[in-house]
Amino acid sequence: GAGVSQSPSNKVTEKGKDVELRCDPISGHTALYWYRQSLGQGLEFLIYFQGNSAPDKSGLPSDRFSAERTGGSVSTLTIQRTQQEDSAVYLCASRPGPFQETQYFGPGTRLLVL
Amino acid sequence: RKEVEQDPGPFNVPEGATVAFNCTYSNSASQSFFWYRQDCRKEPKLLMSVYSSGNEDGRFTAQLNRASQYISLLIRDSKLSDSATYLCVVNRDDKIIFGKGTRLHILP
Repeated sequence: GAGVSQSPSNKVTEKGKDVELRCDPISGHTALYWYRQSLGQGLEFLIYFQGNSAPDKSGLPSDRFSAERTGGSVSTLTIQRTQQEDSAVYLCASRPGPFQETQYFGPGTRLLVL
Repeated sequence: RKEVEQDPGPFNVPEGATVAFNCTYSNSASQSFFWYRQDCRKEPKLLMSVYSSGNEDGRFTAQLNRASQYISLLIRDSKLSDSATYLCVVNRDDKIIFGKGTRLHILP
């Protein structure tokens, strides 16, 4: 079956522009996670959705970052007024439920802010 | 103190050798444990779950020590293709906490 998909796979933008990243989780997976990974660094948790609600937004680095999920499926992560330090790989993962064990990752979106 | 800690490495190991990584976690309420593997410029992928009784998958053995709050991964007869970053992952309620990863380089 289809795995987690993310789009675009690569995004180059200019400082100050807004970007929108998309995640399509595995069908039926209610839990969805966004992470950020800078070059050579570990995963940085951003936000977690259970269904359409986000019980944990603790990882969003600033108010320029927001995310939403509609229909319990697709999620979008929006970064407003991008900065060069936002350059990273943004990874999305899903799992069947909040207490299910295994998490499945998408291939990520590589964001480069010039 | 980070909730999940790993030695970042790198571990440079000759092909065929045995290598072991440890990971420690700070929250005793943690419920389930995993090792993920991440290849360069790729997403993390589940390698194996970790149980107190220990579990083995081919050349890979994982072990959980709840009393000491650490998790181990042993790789026997290492292959060049084992070169990757190994991520320790801990689940607690609906939270998933990743370690920073241990880099492994297998040398020919």
